[in-house]
This record gives sequence, structure tokens and C-alpha cells, in this order.
Amino acid sequence: EIVLTQSPATLSLSPGERATLSCRASQSVSRHLAWYQQKPGQAPRLLIYDASNRATGIPARFSGSGSGTDFTLTISGLDPDDFALYYCQQRSDWPITFGQGTRLEIK
Amino acid sequence: QVQLVESGGGVVQPGRSLRLSCAASGFTFSNYALHWVRQAPGKRLESVAVISFDGSYDHYPDSVKGRFTISRDNSRNILYLQMNSLRTEDTAVYYCARDHFQRDNWGAFASWGQGTLVTVSS
Repeated sequence: EIVLTQSPATLSLSPGERATLSCRASQSVSRHLAWYQQKPGQAPRLLIYDASNRATGIPARFSGSGSGTDFTLTISGLDPDDFALYYCQQRSDWPITFGQGTRLEIK
Repeated sequence: QVQLVESGGGVVQPGRSLRLSCAASGFTFSNYALHWVRQAPGKRLESVAVISFDGSYDHYPDSVKGRFTISRDNSRNILYLQMNSLRTEDTAVYYCARDHFQRDNWGAFASWGQGTLVTVSS
């Protein structure tokens, strides 16, 4: 099973700042990595698929990069609505696995 | 718009069974792989089952293999999850999810239901 490790566990930033979230895979997942945002009491929302492709309706301030084992989600110019939990997920091998999440909180 | 509505959750004793349903609308149901994903309190998301667009294959992680069965009715646009021999560690919110990709490409969760809570407790 491919293990995804996200860092940091918690990221404290102010609105307008730039957020950089990391996800590392225990083995190569090529570019088969996605990012999700989850708010309390809600289902996750797909942000990025296949490392760098924004899902439908996702603002341009969200961008993804990386390949192999190291990936980054960047949020440029944080909006108050962006403070939430973020997960990465791989589809390179079964079972599909998720990271443990990064909590983005308001500083 | 895409809608996924789960039902069937509740409180059940260890060892018993439960069947979840997910009614779908707003898209061509038979074109997409479908998934069940669960989230236990304080734990990471876990994919527990996927079924291909045509129902010809499915996959399960070891944690539920042999106990859970995913199925779909493409004529009624409904997804199911039959859960047998339930354990306390199966307690979670269960989401159905539609894949982002169509047909034989799958593995990103583009649309989610609101989730249904399954509590396994004596």
C-alpha cells in the first residue's frame, strides 16, 4: 500500500498570504495525485487531479505541481474561505490512499 | 447538476449487516466508475470500494475484503454497499463518490454525497 505523508500538519497563515502544502509518497505515483479541500461537516471537494489539473470551478489561485514522490499544493493569495483541511490522494495503485491531512488555519 | 444521496446508515451491533444505497442524478450514470469512501472520527479518508462503469470489476482494500460488496444498478442509477460482519472499527461516515474520469479511467473523486453515518456498537 502506498503511504502518503503530508506536511506540515498545521499551517497558520493570514489572508492574502501564500500557502504551500506538501505531500510525499512512499513510492512513485507518477502524476496520479489529487488534492481535496474539506470543511467541517462537509464532504471533500476535488481541487486538483493528476498533479496539476484544476477541477471544474476551482479558482486559479489553487495550483499543483510535482511528480514521482513529491507534490505541492500552492494557494496564492489566501481567501478567508480557504481555511480548511486539505488532503492528497493517489490513484497510481490499488488501494487508493489518502494523506493524513494538513489543517490550514487563520493566524 | 450532479447529485448523490446516500441512505441506509444507522446503529448496528458487531457481526450484523447493513446495506447502504446511493441514488444518483444529473449525469450519465453508466459512464463512470463509482466509489465508497469512509471517514472515521479523527482518521484519514479511506477508499473502501470501487466499481467500474459497467460493473464488470470491483476492488476492495484488505480492511473490508470478503465482508463488503459494492454493486450498481445502471437502469435505476443506484449504487449499493453491502456490509457484512461489521466491526466496531467500521464506524464512520460513508460517502458515495462519482469518479472524475469516464469509462475505464478512474481514481479521482469529483462529486460526493453528503455522507451517511454508520455506527457499529453493542
